[in-house]
Amino acid sequence: RKEVEQDPGPFNVPEGATVAFNCTYSNSASQSFFWYRQDCRKEPKLLMSVYSSGNEDGRFTAQLNRASQYISLLIRDSKLSDSATYLCVARYAGNMLTFGGGTRLMVKP
Amino acid sequence: NAGVTQTPKFQVLKTGQSMTLQCAQDMNHNSMYWYRQDPGMGLRLIYYSASEGTTDKGEVPNGYNVSRLNKREFSLRLESAAPSQTSVYFCASRHHRDGYTFGSGTRLTVV
Repeated sequence: RKEVEQDPGPFNVPEGATVAFNCTYSNSASQSFFWYRQDCRKEPKLLMSVYSSGNEDGRFTAQLNRASQYISLLIRDSKLSDSATYLCVARYAGNMLTFGGGTRLMVKP
Repeated sequence: NAGVTQTPKFQVLKTGQSMTLQCAQDMNHNSMYWYRQDPGMGLRLIYYSASEGTTDKGEVPNGYNVSRLNKREFSLRLESAAPSQTSVYFCASRHHRDGYTFGSGTRLTVV
């Protein structure tokens, strides 16, 4: 079983839609969590950190549920430019990052 | 700032050949990492260096060696390339609580 699991998708949504991704992690010792965005044939880039209290950055909202060991990312008012793969990431002691396989989002006009 | 620079961007090797992937960062980060990314597998850690002078194995170290030449540079070497090492390789660096910064990747094909 992978330590960080995501639905690979693709999620096909129309512009303006709200879409949510979930991610589960198996190691309860995970210290912190992130969402990265990866465009086709490009490197991953940090989208946002995920805090226990939940956090928002513009149209993006991330939440963490430690009891159930899952992380979510909500994107409101989807734009064509949001089309990408979203990677769920857990950090363990020693600053190791473990990546999920990614969820592919395609926003259509 | 250039951030994290990887060379080469593309490489084709024959089975058994050797090569070194170069990585350099100009952000004065302590930690550096090498990942490989394969379809359906996500990014997997090959080796990392928590600070200058130290290196440690990650999840998939077999067939690779690394050198942390100085604080800026962290190279990955394939001594005898195998088709199973066909992948996209990413170098990354990190400073304390900051997120990782990745290089643009090296696409390696072993035939």
